[in-house]
Amino acid sequence: DTEVTQTPKHLVMGMTNKKSLKCEQHMGHRAMYWYKQKAKKPPELMFVYSYEKLSINESVPSRFSPECPNSSLLNLHLHALQPEDSALYLCASGRVGAGNEQFFGPGTRLTVL
Amino acid sequence: DQQVKQNSPSLSVQEGRISILNCDYTNSMFDYFLWYKKYPAEGPTFLISISSIKDKNEDGRFTVFLNKSAKHLSLHIVPSQPGDSAVYFCAASGFRGAQKLVFGQGTRLTINP
Repeated sequence: DTEVTQTPKHLVMGMTNKKSLKCEQHMGHRAMYWYKQKAKKPPELMFVYSYEKLSINESVPSRFSPECPNSSLLNLHLHALQPEDSALYLCASGRVGAGNEQFFGPGTRLTVL
Repeated sequence: DQQVKQNSPSLSVQEGRISILNCDYTNSMFDYFLWYKKYPAEGPTFLISISSIKDKNEDGRFTVFLNKSAKHLSLHIVPSQPGDSAVYFCAASGFRGAQKLVFGQGTRLTINP
């Protein structure tokens, strides 16, 4: 299996809601990533997990809470988001060793009302 | 401070000809470079990578060239096909995995029949 899958594909939430984005990979990768992409902009890194431990947090607001339950799964818990958080949220996975190729999922399109 | 720059927002090429996409970087700590292709509402697709110890890497119709002294890389697509129409991002990072990818702003490539 050479895919990274993400659910849901689309999500609409109010500013008081709590929701979660889910990501799964079965390529045996031990690094997993969350990126955020706004329209007509490049992806921007949010978090990196290495061997299921959070290794990089790019100063992301605490209303975004990542979780890595095991080596195949990555979640992003969302709470009290703002309309400016509306974006495409991308999950990626890759090796921890030599070569930093990252393989992206299709993304979750999030709209905050 | 934009560490990775793609100065051409768009490029139009005739089918069958060569497409050349360019990318410049400023951070000499980068030693791994990647190209991704992105269709609307999808995640980026990994195309090809190159480490700083090489100056060329080929994969089928795609060739990446790296000029370290000029801090410049380019992606050549030969021959260009209609399905190549997409936004192309170059990205840079350290050599090992579990690191941030720093993306350029992207170049929209259109292949004309």
